[in-house]
Amino acid sequence: SQKIEQNSEALNIQEGKTATLTCNYTNYSPAYLQWYRQDPGRGPVFLLLIRENEKEKRKERLKVTFDTTLKQSLFHITASQPADSATYLCALGNYGQNFVFGPGTRLSVLP
Amino acid sequence: NAGVTQTPKFRVLKTGQSMTLLCAQDMNHEYMYWYRQDPGMGLRLIHYSVGEGTTAKGEVPDGYNVSRLKKQNFLLGLESAAPSQTSVYFCASSRERDTEAFFGQGTRLTVV
Repeated sequence: SQKIEQNSEALNIQEGKTATLTCNYTNYSPAYLQWYRQDPGRGPVFLLLIRENEKEKRKERLKVTFDTTLKQSLFHITASQPADSATYLCALGNYGQNFVFGPGTRLSVLP
Repeated sequence: NAGVTQTPKFRVLKTGQSMTLLCAQDMNHEYMYWYRQDPGMGLRLIHYSVGEGTTAKGEVPDGYNVSRLKKQNFLLGLESAAPSQTSVYFCASSRERDTEAFFGQGTRLTVV
């Protein structure tokens, strides 16, 4: 069965550094991949979507890559700020199928 | 523009009791979803709907029922609550299956 893993459960980095979160998958060939941010006690909020024919996508300080050969997506936050502290979820989807979410990575940006 | 609204926000049930969670969206989205979120397990799809009057099973449908009588509303029912259904429940909607999903604020349900 398909499996989605997101690096460690928690990631701590220093303010100003680049945070890199990983989403790995097995037994699956997604056509697109989404990243969401979730704050405590709140619902997830959409950040970026990248399709299988796109290698990279950017939005302000965010960058997502999608490597279908490695079966991996990387999510980067440059010049990280304490306000970026949250749980980040990746979700994989395919045509005609619903998205499947990973377990999430809790990011803490330390001042 | 309220987006996706869930009621109630919190609920405590006794084992065997029933309840209905209401989800309302004002974005005219065709697709609506109910998820549960448990520690370390991410979001798991319970049921979903691809339009008014349609429902379908997701990954973990047992013990739940749903209805979508109106396009803007998606109801999740628990007929006989069990402690294993203690979780945070999220409703979401999207325009298409491969577009961004908008989530409600969640319902924290405890079954004792």
